[in-house]
Amino acid sequence: GAVVSQHPSWVICKSGTSVKIECRSLDFQATTMFWYRQFPKQSLMLMATSNEGSKATYEQGVEKDKFLINHASLTLSTLTVTSAHPEDSSFYICSVLGLAGTDTQYFGPGTRLTVL
Amino acid sequence: AQSVSQHNHHVILSEAASLELGCNYSYGGTVNLFWYVQYPGQHLQLLLKYFSGDPLVKGIKGFEAEFIKSKFSFNLRKPSVQWSDTAEYFCAVTMNRDDKIIFGKGTRLHILP
Repeated sequence: GAVVSQHPSWVICKSGTSVKIECRSLDFQATTMFWYRQFPKQSLMLMATSNEGSKATYEQGVEKDKFLINHASLTLSTLTVTSAHPEDSSFYICSVLGLAGTDTQYFGPGTRLTVL
Repeated sequence: AQSVSQHNHHVILSEAASLELGCNYSYGGTVNLFWYVQYPGQHLQLLLKYFSGDPLVKGIKGFEAEFIKSKFSFNLRKPSVQWSDTAEYFCAVTMNRDDKIIFGKGTRLHILP
């Protein structure tokens, strides 16, 4: 399967600042990546689908101006949390969709964001 | 709305005990089914998956799952657990060949040595 990395693994920032999280597919060209958010003791919630070279598709209730996604290459997608607030504190996880038709996703290790 | 239910939120077992984690989904169409595992401090890893064919699927580390279409279930089993199986287990579904995956809330499994 694909190897996926995320950077940073943990970030603390002040309220009102913006934070960029990178998701890299290390050994696989990913046309589709996904961004999830996981609250403590809860399931992963899909935020958006990131397609290389086009605009991301956001799930209902996810503010696209708040969570900016850029998928500029087949190996990199970035999620920028703009004007972060304490309620944005969470665990953000990206995944890469495997070979077409397999529906299998390979997950990154996640980024823990704490907004003070 | 489509959903995935995991009935057990927290399971505690002793080593060598048998394990069965329940998973049900609500959707009448074509589904692909997955179990993912997240070991402490690690990322989600695919444990096993079902797309078609034999409804009894064997995965890594001795795990298996059975798809019972009539019950909308995909329960995870292991005949004899080990301390190293301590982790959180997520059942997940994609529906009607959609790439979007819907996760259950997870089951935290704790194995006592």
